[in-house]
Amino acid sequence: SQQGEEDPQALSIQEGENATMNCSYKTSINNLQWYRQNSGRGLVHLILIRSNEREKHSGRLRVTLDTSKKSSSLLITASRAADTASYFCATGGSYIPTFGRGTSLIVHP
Amino acid sequence: NAGVTQTPKFQVLKTGQSMTLQCAQDMNHNSMYWYRQDPGMGLRLIYYSASEGTTDKGEVPNGYNVSRLNKREFSLRLESAAPSQTSVYFCASSQAGQVGNEKLFFGSGTQLSVL
Repeated sequence: SQQGEEDPQALSIQEGENATMNCSYKTSINNLQWYRQNSGRGLVHLILIRSNEREKHSGRLRVTLDTSKKSSSLLITASRAADTASYFCATGGSYIPTFGRGTSLIVHP
Repeated sequence: NAGVTQTPKFQVLKTGQSMTLQCAQDMNHNSMYWYRQDPGMGLRLIYYSASEGTTDKGEVPNGYNVSRLNKREFSLRLESAAPSQTSVYFCASSQAGQVGNEKLFFGSGTQLSVL
């Protein structure tokens, strides 16, 4: 069974807007990671946040983690057409990274 | 660096045929994984190898076998392919001594169709 579940399943925005996607999980974790997958490609690691961290930034990406609510969010600011991809969260804590079903993001030029 | 290399990129099999998917990494990583990705299901773990010489079942191991040939290589074998094994297969590796605490590096995938 999948530990993390992303929401929404699909998101469509205009270039320049911000995109927010969420991940909820069920059991305690050591860390949570976000990955991006362009169509037909392998997943690429974006950012890892540990259970004792609340927020982390990397370029236009901002990730938050709320362990009390068992949830995380990924914010992409000033989105670009090149950000069009699927985004997955992966939870670590039971020794194996477990992925959700992903959020499909479309950024219209 | 090549990173994680998977071969082949595409494969079509008939039901009952066997094949081996190859995966090699050049990052001196300890841990290696095989996932399958189906529409609407995300990535599901088939097998993993925490270190050279060890392998363990993941969420969906039935119908598959694996071999950790050495630190670099981790192969996935389908002994008797079934249409339900039509999927995209991804190999990944990580540096972690304790699996789950480090980021994964993925190969570009193998698209497998079983007719």
